Order: sequence, then structure tokens, then C-alpha cells
Amino acid sequence: DAKTTQPNSMESNEEEPVHLPCNHSTISGTDYIHWYRQLPSQGPEYVIHGLTSNVNNRMASLAIAEDRKSSTLILHRATLRDAAVYYCILIRDTGNQFYFGTGTSLTVIP
Amino acid sequence: KAGVTQTPRYLIKTRGQQVTLSCSPISGHRSVSWYQQTPGQGLQFLFEYFSETQRNKGNFPGRFSGRQFSNSRSEMNVSTLELGDSALYLCASSFLQAGVSDTQYFGPGTRLTVL
Repeated sequence: DAKTTQPNSMESNEEEPVHLPCNHSTISGTDYIHWYRQLPSQGPEYVIHGLTSNVNNRMASLAIAEDRKSSTLILHRATLRDAAVYYCILIRDTGNQFYFGTGTSLTVIP
Repeated sequence: KAGVTQTPRYLIKTRGQQVTLSCSPISGHRSVSWYQQTPGQGLQFLFEYFSETQRNKGNFPGRFSGRQFSNSRSEMNVSTLELGDSALYLCASSFLQAGVSDTQYFGPGTRLTVL
């Protein structure tokens, strides 16, 4: 199974950008990169996903390395509500293998 | 549109018993996936059902089983409970077969405690 590696924790000041890294050196050509986050006492929620090109949505941006072995989730202006555990997941279009890993716990400092 | 609902929200059982958890997906969604979340192992994939068929299964013993009904509602069963089965069990639904370009919507989870 293709797996991901993320830092255990990160801190950011409120209203500053946050770059959350993810390494996925064993990614295959058919793996999509998804990001979910889990707020305290809630189930995970979708943030963004991509395959090869960088992606933007109202919540965040996803920057994917040219060799696809790493990616970065970018929160443009962190708010206190963004404090959560962020999971980088590889999803294969053939087998739907889900591996959440341990994620990165983001602390936002007021 | 109502979100994913899971019942019960909290459950306490003793070792050796069995338990059944229920998940109602978002209306129109045909895929339901189940996950186990523990402090030590994080979020682990149990299985996925799509149109009443199990499409994928994670690395869990046969004590963990599930099924999906024609209305897409799903149940998960754990037999012969062990202390290590204490966890938050999360259900997620999606319109298409869970994966590539379809978003999964998670429920709030069922907190199972095994004594």
C-alpha cells in the first residue's frame, strides 16, 4: 500500500499562511492525493484533492511536486477554526486503498 | 440535506459480547465506508460497501463484518469483543464508489468502550 509521511505537529500564528507537508515517495501513477482534516470531537472532513497539477478551492491550495513524491497543503490565512488534525491520503483509482496515517496536528496561536 | 448519521453515539460492552453499529448515509449516496480510530493506530480503514456489495476490505480480523441494505444504510458488526476494540468507529458515505474524485462525508462516529 502506498503510504504517506507527515510531521506529527505544527504551529502557526493566526492570520498567517500555513504549509503542511506530506511525503509519499511510493506513490503510483494512479494515486490521487486527498487531504482531509478532523476537528476536535468530529469526523474528518474533505479539504482538497489533486493528481498532478496544483489545485485551489475556497478552503485551501494543494501544491504537488513535479515528481509527485510530495505535496503541500496551503492554508492562506490560518484561523482558530483551522486547528485540527490534517490527513494526507493516497487513493488509488483501482483498489480504493485508504491509508490515513497519523496526520499532522495543527495548533493555531491567537 | 441531512448529513451522515450514526447510531448509537456511545456504547459500552463487555469482553466476549458482540455489537452492531448503524450508519445512514446522505440521501442518494451509494457508498458507505467504515473506519476505526484509536489513539495508538490512528484512522484505519475497515471496509467499503457499494450497492450492497463489499468492494474493499482493510486488514482486520474476521470478527469485524458489515453489510449494506438496499436503501444504502449499513451496519457493522463486531463479534467476540476484545479490550482493544475500544475505539471511535466512523462511517463515511459518498455518491460514487469511494475514491479518486469523490468526496467522502463522515458521520460523528460511535464511541465503543469494551470493559
